[in-house]
Amino acid sequence: GAGVSQSPSNKVTEKGKDVELRCDPISGHTALYWYRQSLGQGLEFLIYFQGNSAPDKSGLPSDRFSAERTGGSVSTLTIQRTQQEDSAVYLCASSPRRNTEAFFGQGTRLTVV
Amino acid sequence: DQQVKQNSPSLSVQEGRISILNCDYTNSMFDYFLWYKKYPAEGPTFLISISSIKDKNEDGRFTVFLNKSAKHLSLHIVPSQPGDSAVYFCAAVNLVSSGSARQLTFGSGTQLTVLP
Repeated sequence: GAGVSQSPSNKVTEKGKDVELRCDPISGHTALYWYRQSLGQGLEFLIYFQGNSAPDKSGLPSDRFSAERTGGSVSTLTIQRTQQEDSAVYLCASSPRRNTEAFFGQGTRLTVV
Repeated sequence: DQQVKQNSPSLSVQEGRISILNCDYTNSMFDYFLWYKKYPAEGPTFLISISSIKDKNEDGRFTVFLNKSAKHLSLHIVPSQPGDSAVYFCAAVNLVSSGSARQLTFGSGTQLTVLP
């Protein structure tokens, strides 16, 4: 596909379970971002990957959150032992090396019950 | 510590009038600014951007103004249309930095409602 693809689009999970969210960035884009948007809130930065540089993990809210980017392409955001406050829309974005315009996926709506 | 701030969570404007969305930043190293629009259940989409070497950039009904001394930018939509109703995010980046420091920083967004 031509755009950023995220899966699943919706995820309902029980409190305490682990979840994995997937992001397929636009081919050739070296930068990849994860954000989340809780109900009524703005975009909250989580983590940023740029090429081979060490990722900026400063936005991850707790050690239950981790992310990987394999082969400089697909990224997985993992949330362990989910809590109700983790419920949000998780957005992934990618951008080309020399272009700051980030293209967003449609997001994964996570609901922890 | 929010480096990019949108102090108005919501704004209502009559159709045909001007919408003015404001954004303030604190990091003087930011040198490129962007506006994104987000509809419900969709990811944000890029709208317009401006480099710090300019003070104005215009694209159709959308104009972004940058006041570097005040660390302030604004998005003007003229004339406003009901289809413009969305959440608008401003974002900033330091293009000179590299690696993980070169990332977009977003504001918290402003919900614009254009009334017919």
